Amino acid sequence: SYVLTQPPSVSLAPGETAKITCGGDNIGGYTVHWYQQKPGQAPVLVMYFDSDRPSGIPERFSGSNSGNTATLTISRVEAVDEADYYCQVWDSGSDHAGVFGGGTKLTVL
Amino acid sequence: EVQLVESGGGSVQPGRSLRLSCITSGFTFGDYTMSWVRQAPGKGLEWVGLIRGKTYGETIEYAASVKDRFSISRDDSKNIAYLQMNSLKTEDTAVYYCTRDPSRSSPHFDYWGQGTLVTVSS
Repeated sequence: SYVLTQPPSVSLAPGETAKITCGGDNIGGYTVHWYQQKPGQAPVLVMYFDSDRPSGIPERFSGSNSGNTATLTISRVEAVDEADYYCQVWDSGSDHAGVFGGGTKLTVL
Repeated sequence: EVQLVESGGGSVQPGRSLRLSCITSGFTFGDYTMSWVRQAPGKGLEWVGLIRGKTYGETIEYAASVKDRFSISRDDSKNIAYLQMNSLKTEDTAVYYCTRDPSRSSPHFDYWGQGTLVTVSS
């Protein structure tokens, strides 16, 4: 089955740029979606089809996907961005299954 | 306004069954694939399965971890999706989320319910 790998944590100061990575074998051949989850809340879709932002998501959020790494970039990080972030793809190979990365905890110092 | 509301969670012994419901409103239910995603306490997200709409033959996919034990169904007349969970194991303990999936080509989840907790314990 397909595996997505995320760093467990990323920490940075307000105003810096966060790059949250999602690694997978030829992930550039998949479309990647990203979710933000704050404690005690349901996840929220923040990026879909690699780089499309749902309405209501700030322009500070952007996405890219190439080779073996997809990246969610959050510019000018704010305290409100502190959350867990998950990448997700659909494995349309033999498994036909949704696959999530393990999640990255973003801490804004 | 799109709303998804799960119900049916609770505590159950291993080997028993439970059925979750997802009552929806605010969109044309029959046009969408519905997925279930779960999250064990303190852990990450795990996709459980999905059911496509009539346009795509109401086909169903399951994660390997639940295949042959869980089944997903839908009632388009009531705008409800169901997750029937049989032969429950302690490792099925999780918050179960109902989600809406807007894409046929690359399933993802644009709206989520608040989740319902299922605890499997003796």
